[in-house]
Amino acid sequence: AQTVTQSQPEMSVQEAETVTLSCTYDTSESDYYLFWYKQPPSRQMILVIRQEAYKQQNATENRFSVNFQKAAKSFSLKISDSQLGDAAMYFCAYRSAESSGNTPLVFGKGTRLSVIA
Amino acid sequence: SQTIHQWPATLVQPVGSPLSLECTVEGTSNPNLYWYRQAAGRGLQLLFYSVGIGQISSEVPQNLSASRPQDRQFILSSKKLLLSDSGFYLCAWSVTLARTGKNTEAFFGQGTRLTVV
Repeated sequence: AQTVTQSQPEMSVQEAETVTLSCTYDTSESDYYLFWYKQPPSRQMILVIRQEAYKQQNATENRFSVNFQKAAKSFSLKISDSQLGDAAMYFCAYRSAESSGNTPLVFGKGTRLSVIA
Repeated sequence: SQTIHQWPATLVQPVGSPLSLECTVEGTSNPNLYWYRQAAGRGLQLLFYSVGIGQISSEVPQNLSASRPQDRQFILSSKKLLLSDSGFYLCAWSVTLARTGKNTEAFFGQGTRLTVV
């Protein structure tokens, strides 16, 4: 079974600075998706960014970008120009794409990010 | 556009009482539907998922059950709540892409905070 590990339970960053959140995963599959979700204090899960394993180019969404290292099974999230609204729990997630039909998301335990004004 | 509704937002129930949490999706047909639970300070645990009406897969044997009486409706139930059922419950949906037969990201409702007393 696939597993997702986030080794940093908590991180902090100064406003306007850059922070990187780590995620590693374990799988024997070659076709899959990786995601970062944000959970603010409201607790609604919000999709931040998506990476398809067969794409070598790292995904980018405005101030959010990933460093996807497929061989190392690493998928880190970089937040540039951090803002107070970025403070939240961040979850890394994996979904298999090798079989058709439904394959549920597998989540890491999360990293709590604090942004210091 | 697609939206997901989950209610109630908060619920306080006595031990031994029944439970019914409801989730509906609008703007899409034949979605894959999921129930996750998030215990305090922990990641998301998949409870149930459904790929169609009346089709329910259980990931964790426990005091809960799920039903899908309509295409876009997913219900989480219990006949008798336990203290350990307390937590934050999230409903989510995704679609299987017709072209590839694969799922990508999941989209989440706003969650229900359940406290069993």
